[in-house]
Amino acid sequence: DQQVKQNSPSLSVQEGRISILNCDYTNSMFDYFLWYKKYPAEGPTFLISISSIKDKNEDGRFTVFLNKSAKHLSLHIVPSQPGDSAVYFCAARNYNNNDMRFGAGTRLTVKP
Amino acid sequence: DADVTQTPRNRITKTGKRIMLECSQTKGHDRMYWYRQDPGLGLRLIYYSFDVKDINKGEISDGYSVSRQAQAKFSLSLESAIPNQTALYFCATSGGSMPYNEQFFGPGTRLTVL
Repeated sequence: DQQVKQNSPSLSVQEGRISILNCDYTNSMFDYFLWYKKYPAEGPTFLISISSIKDKNEDGRFTVFLNKSAKHLSLHIVPSQPGDSAVYFCAARNYNNNDMRFGAGTRLTVKP
Repeated sequence: DADVTQTPRNRITKTGKRIMLECSQTKGHDRMYWYRQDPGLGLRLIYYSFDVKDINKGEISDGYSVSRQAQAKFSLSLESAIPNQTALYFCATSGGSMPYNEQFFGPGTRLTVL
């Protein structure tokens, strides 16, 4: 059962514009959410996270928004740069049972 | 030097063979994890260890076993490999007070079972 879903396998945006990557989850016990970025032939690298007690977290060009009632989070990248082209994974943790689930990933392409 | 290393980086083997994937880390983290990545499924947790004497099954542990030889080393074994274990395998570590905080991933091992 896919408890964390990234319904868009790919996204293409123009350099300088905003990239919005979406993630939905089904388990209301998730208490912590993370985004990872992955380049080809490398392991994922941590990008940004948000606790379930917050609705927004910002780090430079990256902002994560959490809507608990809708069980939805999104990653905004502004402005997008060609170096942001990668696969982005959404992940969620259930602290009560040490469960960790990842989405299938969204491939972002930022065109110059 | 990389903080989390995995060996081998690529491996092709045959059905029924025993395979061991190794992970080493220099970050001094207590927590280590093994994941597999399949197209369309993202990363799925196989096993995790929160310290040397702690081993726990993850979402998809059947067909796998692990060994935590030391704080810095966490090995994944496939006792009798089968083709649907063909995947990209990642080791990860994390520190801090909470599990699954920022995880640091190795570069991955691409395993093909024929």
